[in-house]
Amino acid sequence: SQQGEEDPQALSIQEGENATMNCSYKTSINNLQWYRQNSGRGLVHLILIRSNEREKHSGRLRVTLDTSKKSSSLLITASRAADTASYFCATDWTSGSRLTFGEGTQLTVNP
Amino acid sequence: DAGVIQSPRHEVTEMGQEVTLRCKPISGHNSLFWYRQTMMRGLELLIYFNNNVPIDDSGMPEDRFSAKMPNASFSTLKIQPSEPRDSAVYFCASSPTGANTGELFFGEGSRLTVL
Repeated sequence: SQQGEEDPQALSIQEGENATMNCSYKTSINNLQWYRQNSGRGLVHLILIRSNEREKHSGRLRVTLDTSKKSSSLLITASRAADTASYFCATDWTSGSRLTFGEGTQLTVNP
Repeated sequence: DAGVIQSPRHEVTEMGQEVTLRCKPISGHNSLFWYRQTMMRGLELLIYFNNNVPIDDSGMPEDRFSAKMPNASFSTLKIQPSEPRDSAVYFCASSPTGANTGELFFGEGSRLTVL
């Protein structure tokens, strides 16, 4: 089974609202990454947070990591229609050798 | 700078035919990954190379799939013979670091349809 699981599977909001997506994982990790995928395109890296970090910011993005709960959240503030995409978390297992992606959250931002 | 370049972008073929997907990683990146994306199974890692050497091919579904990286600037993923269940989007990604320490740079994907 895949390491990461995103929640919710789909999210629809209005432009200007904040969007929060969650990711849970099962085993210890070195780092956790978030990627965005626009329809019909490849994945684009957004942000990486290491296991010893608790929060990280990049522009309108805020990522948190709670290793005790094995979960992470991605917050997009002041959303825009252009943020409409699928968002994936990817985990790097400390005991494994592969970067594993979750199922993704489909975010729709309505103008 | 050019990103990861994949070809073809779209391929439609008939069951039993050989399919070859190509990838040119970003210059200077020493790790290359092949992923497959389907609605049912999401993104699956098929194989990854480090310095042109296959490190982990445990994700390759079966012997019909093979991948090569003859040099640092080129890789192929071959399916022979192809089957309808191979229909998916195949992504190539490269990384300037080891497999699990940094971000991946993805190509735009090759959408394969096997009839």
